Amino acid sequence: AQKVTQAQTEISVVEKEDVTLDCVYETRDTTYYLFWYKQPPSGELVFLIRRNSFDEQNEISGRYSWNFQKSTSSFNFTITASQVVDSAVYFCALSYNQGGKLIFGQGTELSVKP
Amino acid sequence: DTEVTQTPKHLVMGMTNKKSLKCEQHMGHRAMYWYKQKAKKPPELMFVYSYEKLSINESVPSRFSPECPNSSLLNLHLHALQPEDSALYLCASSQERGQVNTEAFFGQGTRLTVV
Repeated sequence: AQKVTQAQTEISVVEKEDVTLDCVYETRDTTYYLFWYKQPPSGELVFLIRRNSFDEQNEISGRYSWNFQKSTSSFNFTITASQVVDSAVYFCALSYNQGGKLIFGQGTELSVKP
Repeated sequence: DTEVTQTPKHLVMGMTNKKSLKCEQHMGHRAMYWYKQKAKKPPELMFVYSYEKLSINESVPSRFSPECPNSSLLNLHLHALQPEDSALYLCASSQERGQVNTEAFFGQGTRLTVV
């Protein structure tokens, strides 16, 4: 079965704290893609990153970084020095051979307080 | 320009009404999607169009009828909806459907309330 689990339903931090959002996935496919999306209160899902199953290299983009570990089927997302504007629901998602269909985790609601 | 535009942003309709949701993208993408998102839940796929042809229907009730008039437009026709159909309807597009390595870009959604 294809499944994405985000065990943290809600996280609350104070501005400038670092925060890590966990994502664990299940798939029988050897070729798959993992994504992170941000959904602010406005509703739009904002694409943050795509990772394919053959590339375990970690990635950093500004204050955002991602740690992909196939051995533990995890694709965690860290925000360094969080800001109030980071407050949103963050979804981890999986796409596999069916092409185009995204399997979303339940989402983690991040609240960054000033 | 990574923009997907959805209209209207909000819609209230009665159970006997007929309405349509519209989605437009000008990124040259050939795959377009409708997702439904209930409050505090992740988006769930409804339909996928690839090259203007319906390629995936996730067993959606017939009161939802998708249409893809051209490669830039995607409509969702609504008829005889139920209150439980109230949700955020998200449109998305990606370069291709068959290539799993293309990310989907989403619109802001239409918040639908059925009364």
